[in-house]
Amino acid sequence: GQNIDQPTEMTATEGAIVQINCTYQTSGFNGLFWYQQHAGEAPTFLSYNVLDGLEEKGRFSSFLSRSKGYSYLLLKELQMKDSASYLCAVSDSNYQLIWGAGTKLIIKP
Amino acid sequence: GAVVSQHPSRVICKSGTSVKIECRSLDFQATTMFWYRQFPKKSLMLMATSNEGSKATYEQGVEKDKFLINHASLTLSTLTVTSAHPEDSSFYICSARSSGTDYEQYFGPGTRLTVT
Repeated sequence: GQNIDQPTEMTATEGAIVQINCTYQTSGFNGLFWYQQHAGEAPTFLSYNVLDGLEEKGRFSSFLSRSKGYSYLLLKELQMKDSASYLCAVSDSNYQLIWGAGTKLIIKP
Repeated sequence: GAVVSQHPSRVICKSGTSVKIECRSLDFQATTMFWYRQFPKKSLMLMATSNEGSKATYEQGVEKDKFLINHASLTLSTLTVTSAHPEDSSFYICSARSSGTDYEQYFGPGTRLTVT
């Protein structure tokens, strides 16, 4: 079957760095997405990785290792507004998104 | 970036009535639209995939006669929840994928449905 695993909840301190991991097993692979979702709102796109390596975009970076079925989202210089759920999703062989359950990130002052 | 709108943003209806939710791609043509529902503190659950001009493909366990999906144009898809019941109360989100890309989905803001 297809499976996406990510931690349920993480806590970090404002100004610090946090890494959210995601492991996946899917039928085919056409890229991995990270989305941010604030409570009561729709997800917003953060990043897309289809090749191995690190993609940096401002305070957020995303890493992918296809051989290990592994990705992480790295958030630097955390701000209170970064408190949200972070969803990992993999595009399978049919370009359908398979979603993880999401990681709730709590930022403390 | 691409914009997807959804209407209404919130709706409260009585049990047994039907509710229609619209999803529009405002500045691009969406050959494929997706409908998701999300329960509190849960991840997105794909309900169906609709391609313009053809019948929607429903995920296992989703009743096609209850959740009617129409994708009549490249910019509009509708989801009609028929004979709604309180257990249908949920957050419904649509997303759209343009004809020019194979990967990114653009999400609408979601519709909060409450059935009393």
